Amino acid sequence: EAGVAQSPRYKIIEKRQSVAFWCNPISGHATLYWYQQILGQGPKLLIQFQNNGVVDDSQLPKDRFSAERLKGVDSTLKIQPAKLEDSAVYLCASSLGRGGPRGETQYFGPGTRLLVL
Amino acid sequence: AQSVAQPEDQVNVAEGNPLTVKCTYSVSGNPYLFWYVQYPNRGLQFLLKYITGDNLVKGSYGFEAEFNKSQTSFHLKKPSALVSDSALYFCAVRDSYNAGNMLTFGGGTRLMVKP
Repeated sequence: EAGVAQSPRYKIIEKRQSVAFWCNPISGHATLYWYQQILGQGPKLLIQFQNNGVVDDSQLPKDRFSAERLKGVDSTLKIQPAKLEDSAVYLCASSLGRGGPRGETQYFGPGTRLLVL
Repeated sequence: AQSVAQPEDQVNVAEGNPLTVKCTYSVSGNPYLFWYVQYPNRGLQFLLKYITGDNLVKGSYGFEAEFNKSQTSFHLKKPSALVSDSALYFCAVRDSYNAGNMLTFGGGTRLMVKP
């Protein structure tokens, strides 16, 4: 079974530029998550999708971050404009998402490492 | 609100010795608890989880964890450490009162196993 796919793996941009990350979840997984992991910290949830609807985006900095999952499969996370403090690893995860997740296991992709100069 | 703490930034252990990585949590309802491992330049790999039932949970690669409700802890253990177990370990919690499946992660503990 293929895991969660993410691209690109690495990205270097200048501050105030824009950047986009792509994620393809495990086949059949209805729930998709984007996390931000700053160096030396644990991952922090940015946004959670159930199919193509947003379940939780309370920690997403909406003035510069946006995410979509238009067809309920793959997803794109965008930052515009980027700031120095956005340097981090952006992790995508997915879970089955069937009928009220009671401690569902989330499976993570390899992440995209972003460096903002 | 849900939170989790990993009090040790690093744990050092000799190969063949038992290891313990500590985790404590705080929730309003019932806790769903997880352990993940992260190797350099890799994503997080699921090790094990506690949802309900037996307090001792067995997971991948010989790891196990013990849920202790009175101490609000979920420590990760392994009877005999391997050098290849050296990695970054994250504990995570989800409160049953949360409608979504949002996980809150601890800051991570680096495990160093020396030959």
